[in-house]
Amino acid sequence: QVQLVESGGGVVQPGRSLRLSCAASGFTFSDYAMHWVRQAPGKGLEWVAVISHDGSNEKYVDSVKGRFTISRDNSQNTLSLQMNSLRGEDTAVYYCAKGHVPSATNWYGNWFDPWGQGSLVTVSS
Amino acid sequence: EIVLTQSPATLSLSPGDRATLSCRASQSVSSYLGWYQQKPGQAPRLLIYDVSNRATGIPGRFSGSGSGTDFTLTISSLETEDFAVYYCQHRANWPLTFGGGTKVEIK
Repeated sequence: QVQLVESGGGVVQPGRSLRLSCAASGFTFSDYAMHWVRQAPGKGLEWVAVISHDGSNEKYVDSVKGRFTISRDNSQNTLSLQMNSLRGEDTAVYYCAKGHVPSATNWYGNWFDPWGQGSLVTVSS
Repeated sequence: EIVLTQSPATLSLSPGDRATLSCRASQSVSSYLGWYQQKPGQAPRLLIYDVSNRATGIPGRFSGSGSGTDFTLTISSLETEDFAVYYCQHRANWPLTFGGGTKVEIK
């Protein structure tokens, strides 16, 4: 079965950096786009970034452009999110999610299915 | 950016009731609308994609309808495990966005 396991969350001061990872198993990782979606405490969901199956395409929500970088290592079945210049409003649970359909069907996978269990990032001094 | 507005914010119902959740888009999203369920302390789960297609393993009591700007998620007869928060999401353009959610709670 598909498993997505995030790691790397924690408490970080404003302006500092943090790197999240997502270990994938149970499917052919290199065939699917991968996403990051976040959820601030007690709030709704916000899509953050997507990377195509081969890393050739990326998209970001405006609020993280220039600060966050999504990447993947298909040899290690790992997705990453490098977060720089962190702000208080970046405090959230960060979920990685697999594209619902293979990139051969649509490069960003259409929907998010399934999701990992999430990793909490707290930006605070 | 397309804004998705969900209503009501909270729906108080009893097991066996029919639940009707609404999602309205600020501009047409064609048929590129999906729904997710999130239970406390859990990650969201894809329920419905492209308006009316149930995701793998989703029971038949969940159905979706609509087009353009107005969409509905219907749960025909609520089971206890259906009490949760439901989010709609579009994939019509960038950025992908979610609605604010509807909480279905036990009356």
